[in-house]
Amino acid sequence: EAQVTQNPRYLITVTGKKLTVTCSQNMNHEYMSWYRQDPGLGLRQIYYSMNVEVTDKGDVPEGYKVSRKEKRNFPLILESPSPNQTSLYFCASSLVGTGPTEAFFGQGTRLTVV
Amino acid sequence: AQSVAQPEDQVNVAEGNPLTVKCTYSVSGNPYLFWYVQYPNRGLQFLLKYITGDNLVKGSYGFEAEFNKSQTSFHLKKPSALVSDSALYFCAVSPRENTGFQKLVFGTGTRLLVSP
Repeated sequence: EAQVTQNPRYLITVTGKKLTVTCSQNMNHEYMSWYRQDPGLGLRQIYYSMNVEVTDKGDVPEGYKVSRKEKRNFPLILESPSPNQTSLYFCASSLVGTGPTEAFFGQGTRLTVV
Repeated sequence: AQSVAQPEDQVNVAEGNPLTVKCTYSVSGNPYLFWYVQYPNRGLQFLLKYITGDNLVKGSYGFEAEFNKSQTSFHLKKPSALVSDSALYFCAVSPRENTGFQKLVFGTGTRLLVSP
Protein backbone atom coordinates (compact mmCIF):
# COMPACT_ATOMS: atom_id res chain seq x y z
CA GLU A 1 0.00 0.00 0.00
CA ALA A 2 1.29 3.43 -0.98
CA GLN A 3 1.79 5.46 2.12
CA VAL A 4 3.68 8.09 4.05
CA THR A 5 4.46 7.03 7.59
CA GLN A 6 5.25 9.44 10.40
CA ASN A 7 6.39 8.61 13.88
CA PRO A 8 5.51 9.29 16.57
CA ARG A 9 1.84 10.23 16.19
CA TYR A 10 1.81 12.06 19.51
CA LEU A 11 4.68 13.58 21.45
CA ILE A 12 4.89 15.68 24.58
CA THR A 13 8.31 17.07 25.38
CA VAL A 14 9.98 19.77 27.44
CA THR A 15 11.55 22.96 26.21
CA GLY A 16 15.07 22.46 24.92
CA LYS A 17 15.07 18.68 24.63
CA LYS A 18 16.11 17.70 21.13
CA LEU A 19 13.66 15.54 19.21
CA THR A 20 13.27 13.96 15.80
CA VAL A 21 10.07 13.18 13.94
CA THR A 22 10.59 10.53 11.31
CA CYS A 23 8.93 10.38 7.90
CA SER A 24 9.18 7.55 5.41
CA GLN A 25 7.47 6.98 2.05
CA ASN A 26 7.32 3.82 -0.05
CA MET A 27 6.42 5.35 -3.41
CA ASN A 28 9.90 6.29 -4.62
CA HIS A 29 8.89 9.94 -4.65
CA GLU A 30 11.59 12.53 -5.24
CA TYR A 31 9.85 15.43 -3.53
CA MET A 32 9.22 15.46 0.21
CA SER A 33 8.07 18.24 2.44
CA TRP A 34 7.19 19.12 6.04
CA TYR A 35 4.24 21.30 7.02
CA ARG A 36 2.88 22.54 10.30
CA GLN A 37 -0.84 23.06 10.79
CA ASP A 38 -2.09 25.68 13.24
CA PRO A 39 -5.66 26.85 13.81
CA GLY A 40 -6.56 29.78 11.60
CA LEU A 41 -3.28 29.56 9.70
CA GLY A 42 -3.78 26.45 7.60
CA LEU A 43 -0.70 24.49 6.57
CA ARG A 44 2.63 26.24 6.26
CA GLN A 45 5.67 24.68 4.68
CA ILE A 46 8.71 24.26 6.90
CA TYR A 47 11.28 22.57 4.64
CA TYR A 48 11.24 20.63 1.43
CA SER A 49 13.54 18.33 -0.48
CA MET A 50 13.74 17.84 -4.23
CA ASN A 51 15.85 14.69 -3.94
CA VAL A 52 18.58 13.03 -1.91
CA GLU A 53 20.95 15.59 -0.35
CA VAL A 54 18.87 18.47 -1.78
CA THR A 55 16.89 20.42 0.81
CA ASP A 56 15.63 23.98 1.06
CA LYS A 57 13.73 26.25 3.39
CA GLY A 58 10.01 26.70 3.16
CA ASP A 59 8.01 29.53 4.64
CA VAL A 60 8.61 28.88 8.36
CA PRO A 61 12.01 27.13 8.74
CA GLU A 62 13.22 28.80 11.96
CA GLY A 63 13.92 26.30 14.73
CA TYR A 64 13.86 23.25 12.45
CA LYS A 65 16.37 21.13 10.59
CA VAL A 66 15.96 18.36 8.05
CA SER A 67 18.10 15.84 6.25
CA ARG A 68 17.64 13.66 3.17
CA LYS A 69 20.27 10.95 3.20
CA GLU A 70 17.98 8.38 1.59
CA LYS A 71 15.21 8.89 -0.90
CA ARG A 72 12.53 7.33 1.28
CA ASN A 73 13.29 9.16 4.55
CA PHE A 74 12.97 12.81 5.49
CA PRO A 75 13.28 13.37 9.25
CA LEU A 76 12.37 16.64 10.93
CA ILE A 77 14.69 17.69 13.73
CA LEU A 78 13.98 20.19 16.49
CA GLU A 79 17.32 20.89 18.12
CA SER A 80 15.89 22.97 20.97
CA PRO A 81 12.08 22.88 20.94
CA SER A 82 10.12 25.81 22.29
CA PRO A 83 6.44 26.11 23.20
CA ASN A 84 5.69 28.03 19.98
CA GLN A 85 6.55 24.87 18.09
CA THR A 86 3.55 23.14 19.62
CA SER A 87 1.62 22.18 16.51
CA LEU A 88 0.37 19.43 14.24
CA TYR A 89 3.04 18.37 11.77
CA PHE A 90 2.57 16.68 8.42
CA CYS A 91 5.04 15.09 6.09
CA ALA A 92 4.14 14.87 2.41
CA SER A 93 5.67 13.36 -0.71
CA SER A 94 5.04 13.59 -4.42
CA LEU A 95 6.58 12.77 -7.75
CA VAL A 96 8.59 15.38 -9.60
CA GLY A 97 7.21 15.74 -13.09
CA THR A 98 6.48 18.24 -15.79
CA GLY A 99 3.24 19.26 -14.12
CA PRO A 100 1.59 19.19 -10.73
CA THR A 101 1.23 15.80 -9.10
CA GLU A 102 -0.82 14.60 -6.18
CA ALA A 103 0.81 14.99 -2.79
CA PHE A 104 0.50 12.14 -0.33
CA PHE A 105 0.38 13.06 3.34
CA GLY A 106 1.26 11.21 6.50
CA GLN A 107 -1.23 10.95 9.34
CA GLY A 108 0.38 13.72 11.29
CA THR A 109 2.37 14.18 14.48
CA ARG A 110 0.84 16.19 17.27
CA LEU A 111 3.68 17.82 19.18
CA THR A 112 3.29 19.57 22.51
CA VAL A 113 6.25 21.45 23.97
CA VAL A 114 5.86 22.41 27.63
CA ALA B 1 3.57 36.27 -3.49
CA GLN B 2 0.91 33.68 -3.95
CA SER B 3 -1.94 33.30 -1.47
CA VAL B 4 -5.20 31.48 -1.00
CA ALA B 5 -8.27 32.69 0.83
CA GLN B 6 -11.05 30.54 2.19
CA PRO B 7 -13.50 33.11 3.50
CA GLU B 8 -15.67 30.73 5.52
CA ASP B 9 -14.38 29.00 8.63
CA GLN B 10 -17.36 26.68 8.59
CA VAL B 11 -20.09 25.69 6.17
CA ASN B 12 -23.24 23.99 7.39
CA VAL B 13 -25.51 22.08 5.04
CA ALA B 14 -28.24 19.49 5.38
CA GLU B 15 -27.73 16.05 3.94
CA GLY B 16 -29.00 15.84 0.38
CA ASN B 17 -28.58 19.54 -0.28
CA PRO B 18 -25.92 20.94 -2.60
CA LEU B 19 -22.78 22.30 -1.01
CA THR B 20 -20.23 24.92 -1.98
CA VAL B 21 -16.93 25.63 -0.26
CA LYS B 22 -15.37 28.84 -1.47
CA CYS B 23 -11.77 29.53 -2.46
CA THR B 24 -10.12 32.53 -4.08
CA TYR B 25 -6.46 32.81 -4.97
CA SER B 26 -3.82 35.35 -5.79
CA VAL B 27 -0.86 34.31 -7.91
CA SER B 28 1.08 35.73 -10.79
CA GLY B 29 0.25 34.01 -14.04
CA ASN B 30 -1.93 30.96 -14.34
CA PRO B 31 -1.95 28.66 -11.35
CA TYR B 32 -2.34 25.04 -10.61
CA LEU B 33 -5.19 24.64 -8.10
CA PHE B 34 -6.01 21.83 -5.73
CA TRP B 35 -8.52 20.72 -3.13
CA TYR B 36 -7.57 18.44 -0.26
CA VAL B 37 -9.76 16.98 2.48
CA GLN B 38 -8.78 16.14 6.05
CA TYR B 39 -10.85 13.73 8.09
CA PRO B 40 -10.41 13.66 11.89
CA ASN B 41 -7.05 12.26 12.99
CA ARG B 42 -5.97 11.73 9.39
CA GLY B 43 -3.60 13.35 6.97
CA LEU B 44 -4.77 15.35 3.99
CA GLN B 45 -6.17 13.47 1.02
CA PHE B 46 -6.16 14.72 -2.56
CA LEU B 47 -9.61 15.47 -4.01
CA LEU B 48 -9.00 17.14 -7.35
CA LYS B 49 -6.80 19.54 -9.29
CA TYR B 50 -7.07 22.07 -12.07
CA ILE B 51 -4.27 22.29 -14.60
CA THR B 52 -5.76 23.61 -17.80
CA GLY B 53 -8.69 23.11 -20.13
CA ASP B 54 -12.24 22.57 -18.94
CA ASN B 55 -13.12 24.94 -16.12
CA LEU B 56 -15.18 22.27 -14.36
CA VAL B 57 -12.99 19.65 -12.75
CA LYS B 58 -14.37 16.40 -11.39
CA GLY B 59 -12.70 14.63 -8.50
CA SER B 60 -13.09 11.96 -5.86
CA TYR B 61 -16.25 11.16 -3.86
CA GLY B 62 -18.53 13.08 -6.24
CA PHE B 63 -16.86 16.43 -5.69
CA GLU B 64 -16.19 18.93 -8.45
CA ALA B 65 -14.69 22.38 -8.61
CA GLU B 66 -15.20 25.29 -10.94
CA PHE B 67 -12.26 27.42 -12.04
CA ASN B 68 -13.18 31.04 -12.74
CA LYS B 69 -10.23 33.02 -14.03
CA SER B 70 -11.93 36.42 -14.02
CA GLN B 71 -12.97 36.02 -10.39
CA THR B 72 -9.77 34.14 -9.42
CA SER B 73 -11.90 31.53 -7.72
CA PHE B 74 -11.90 27.76 -7.46
CA HIS B 75 -15.00 26.82 -5.49
CA LEU B 76 -15.58 23.22 -4.44
CA LYS B 77 -19.04 21.82 -5.05
CA LYS B 78 -21.11 18.71 -4.64
CA PRO B 79 -24.71 18.30 -5.85
CA SER B 80 -25.90 16.27 -2.86
CA ALA B 81 -24.06 16.32 0.47
CA LEU B 82 -23.55 13.27 2.68
CA VAL B 83 -23.01 13.22 6.43
CA SER B 84 -19.73 11.42 5.70
CA ASP B 85 -18.53 14.51 3.78
CA SER B 86 -18.13 16.32 7.10
CA ALA B 87 -14.44 17.19 7.29
CA LEU B 88 -11.92 19.99 6.95
CA TYR B 89 -11.32 21.14 3.37
CA PHE B 90 -8.23 22.92 2.12
CA CYS B 91 -7.75 24.81 -1.10
CA ALA B 92 -4.16 25.09 -2.36
CA VAL B 93 -2.32 26.82 -5.18
CA SER B 94 0.94 26.09 -6.92
CA PRO B 95 2.44 28.64 -9.31
CA ARG B 96 3.02 27.41 -12.86
CA GLU B 97 6.65 28.37 -12.87
CA ASN B 98 7.19 25.65 -10.28
CA THR B 99 7.02 22.91 -12.87
CA GLY B 100 9.18 20.02 -11.82
CA PHE B 101 8.11 20.11 -8.23
CA GLN B 102 5.12 21.06 -6.22
CA LYS B 103 5.22 24.05 -3.92
CA LEU B 104 1.77 24.17 -2.38
CA VAL B 105 0.37 27.23 -0.64
CA PHE B 106 -2.67 26.34 1.43
CA GLY B 107 -5.68 28.28 2.56
CA THR B 108 -6.71 28.28 6.20
CA GLY B 109 -9.28 25.55 5.72
CA THR B 110 -13.08 25.36 5.85
CA ARG B 111 -14.87 22.97 8.12
CA LEU B 112 -17.85 21.36 6.41
CA LEU B 113 -20.59 20.08 8.68
CA VAL B 114 -23.35 18.05 7.06
CA SER B 115 -26.33 17.43 9.29
CA PRO B 116 -28.63 14.41 8.91
